[in-house]
Amino acid sequence: EDKVVQSPLSLVVHEGDTVTLNCSYEVTNFRSLLWYKQEKKAPTFLFMLTSSGIEKKSGRLSSILDKKELFSILNITATQTGDSAVYLCARWVSNFGNEKLTFGTGTRLTIIP
Amino acid sequence: DTEVTQTPKHLVMGMTNKKSLKCEQHMGHRAMYWYKQKAKKPPELMFVYSYEKLSINESVPSRFSPECPNSSLLNLHLHALQPEDSALYLCASSQATPQNSGANVLTFGAGSRLTVL
Repeated sequence: EDKVVQSPLSLVVHEGDTVTLNCSYEVTNFRSLLWYKQEKKAPTFLFMLTSSGIEKKSGRLSSILDKKELFSILNITATQTGDSAVYLCARWVSNFGNEKLTFGTGTRLTIIP
Repeated sequence: DTEVTQTPKHLVMGMTNKKSLKCEQHMGHRAMYWYKQKAKKPPELMFVYSYEKLSINESVPSRFSPECPNSSLLNLHLHALQPEDSALYLCASSQATPQNSGANVLTFGAGSRLTVL
């Protein structure tokens, strides 16, 4: 089974701290790994990673993929209260000739003012 | 227009009711998805439509009946649901079809929160 495992499950930090969220996956037929942020309802897209060792960056958020060790990390620097959300990691897995996006359990991040 | 619009936002129904959830996108995407999300859990795939044809059904009970009338619309018909079906139902769309999705991004709607009494 193609599992996506995220850690920690929850994290509480103070505003201004830097956080690192982890996502590990199994290897079969890897195509890409995606990060989403979910606040109240709709998951919103952050990054898609396909190549190992190439950092994707958007403002205070960055992410990198290690295809050899089968994991990705999401870094958030100088955290703000608006960063409080569930961060979901997902990867495309094969499903009898079709592909489906499978999500990890998520990391619930809480930023204390 | 880069939105996926879902209606209704909230729905309360009894176990004998028949209701429908609706989803619309105008991004020209050819794949559309239904996900179910229980509290404090990740989204779980239910159905995928590719070019208006059902391509993935994740062994979903028949009390959930999807329909894709055209490339912009996706419905989920609900009948004889159980209280454990209460959840957030998320619709999504993407450019690529499930046969070639490996490097594509899903755009999600805000969801329909369903409560079954």
